[in-house]
Amino acid sequence: QTVVTQEPSLTVSPGGTVTLTCASSTGAVTSGYYPNWFQQKPGQAPRALIYSTSNKHSWTPARFSGSLLGGKAALTLSGVQPEDEAEYYCLLYYGGARVFGGGTKLTVL
Amino acid sequence: QITLKESGPTLVKPTQTLTLTCTFSGFSLSTSGVGVGWIRQPPGKALEWLALIYWDDDKRYSPSLKSRLTITKDTSKNQVVLTMTNMDPVDTATYYCAHSDYAYYDAFDIWGQGTMVTVSS
Repeated sequence: QTVVTQEPSLTVSPGGTVTLTCASSTGAVTSGYYPNWFQQKPGQAPRALIYSTSNKHSWTPARFSGSLLGGKAALTLSGVQPEDEAEYYCLLYYGGARVFGGGTKLTVL
Repeated sequence: QITLKESGPTLVKPTQTLTLTCTFSGFSLSTSGVGVGWIRQPPGKALEWLALIYWDDDKRYSPSLKSRLTITKDTSKNQVVLTMTNMDPVDTATYYCAHSDYAYYDAFDIWGQGTMVTVSS
C-alpha cells in the first residue's frame, strides 16, 4: 500500500517562511505525480491551493508556492499570515489512483 | 460559478449499503475533460480519496476500497452517486465530492461542503 508522508506539525512566526514537504513510499516524487496541495481550516472543506507541482489556482495567494525539493513535493509559504494557520494536505497521483498525505498542522505563533 | 453539494443519510447501520449523491451546478459532466471525485475524512483524521468518474464514464477507484465502491453519473440530473457496501464503524466520516478538469491536470479544484455519515447500530 502506497503511503504519502508529511510532517505532522510545523510552527512558524508571522512574517516568516516555512516549507512543508510531501514524500512517497515508492521513491522520489517527480512532476509525473502531479502534486496538489490543499488547505483545510477547522470545520471547513479543503480548499485547493496548488496543482501539478507549482500551478496556482486563481484564488491562491501569491505567498504560496509549490516545487520539488530533494525528491519530495514542497509547499512554501513566504510572509506567513495569521490566517495561514491550518492543516495542509498534499495529494499525489499514482496512475489512475490518488493518495493523500497525512497532513501537516501549521501553527502560526 | 461551480458548486457541489453532498446528500445522503447521516446514520447507517453496520453491514448496510451507503448511497451518497453529489448534486452540482456550473458545469456539465458531458463536457470533455470534466470529472467528479469523492473524498472522505474520518473525524480528526486525514483525507482519503475514494473514487473519480469522468465525462466519458471512465471510473477510477481507491485500490483498498475498490471492492466496496461504485460510482455512477446522471448527466441529465447533474448528479454523481457513490455507493459503498458493507459499512463499518470505521467508515464514519465526512464525505466530500469535488470537481476536476483536465485543464487543471485533473485537480480537485472546487469542493462541496461535505456530509457527515455515522456508522452505528
